[in-house]
Amino acid sequence: DIQLTQSPSFLSASVGDRVTITCRASEGIDSYLAWYQQKPGKAPKLLIYAASTLQSGVPSRFSGSGSGTEFTLTISSLQPEDFATYYCQQLKSSVTFGQGTRLEIK
Amino acid sequence: EVQLLESGGDLLQPGGSLRLSCAASGFTFSTFPMSWVRQTPGKGLEWVSTIIADNTYYADSVKGRFTISRDNSKDTLYLQMNSLRAEDTALYYCARRQQYGSKWYFDYWGQGTLVTVSS
Repeated sequence: DIQLTQSPSFLSASVGDRVTITCRASEGIDSYLAWYQQKPGKAPKLLIYAASTLQSGVPSRFSGSGSGTEFTLTISSLQPEDFATYYCQQLKSSVTFGQGTRLEIK
Repeated sequence: EVQLLESGGDLLQPGGSLRLSCAASGFTFSTFPMSWVRQTPGKGLEWVSTIIADNTYYADSVKGRFTISRDNSKDTLYLQMNSLRAEDTALYYCARRQQYGSKWYFDYWGQGTLVTVSS
């Protein structure tokens, strides 16, 4: 199975900050990567697919980049509603998820 | 509006069986592949199974014990779970698959139904 490792696992930031979350794959996955946001008690929400394409309705402050084995999710200016847990997911071979990055208010 | 509503979660003993349902609305259910994904505090998110047309796929951890199916006349997805183990304890989500490029991403998720396996 392809393993995904997210860093950091926990991130404390303030409203207005720019934050970046990294997802590293154990082998190359081309651009078959998605990012999800999950708030407590809610289902995951698709933010980005194909590594860098913003899902319809997702604010433009979210962006994704990368290919191969290293990917990033960037939030350009944190808003109060962005504090959540973020997961990466690969679809190159079967489906696996990263362990998550919890983003909390500083 | 796309909606997915899971049901059927319960507390049961190891070795037991359970069927989960996922009622879909707001889209043409029969035209979309569907999946089940589970989540635990310890293992995080884990893909369980997918149904694409008449083809079914399973994670190794559930292969031979779980069966995914759908009834397009009822807009409902199912997961039959047999020989349940403590490690199957999780919140189970159904999710719609949407094709972007050559891959099918998980674009809508239900709110989940809790399965607890414990003696």
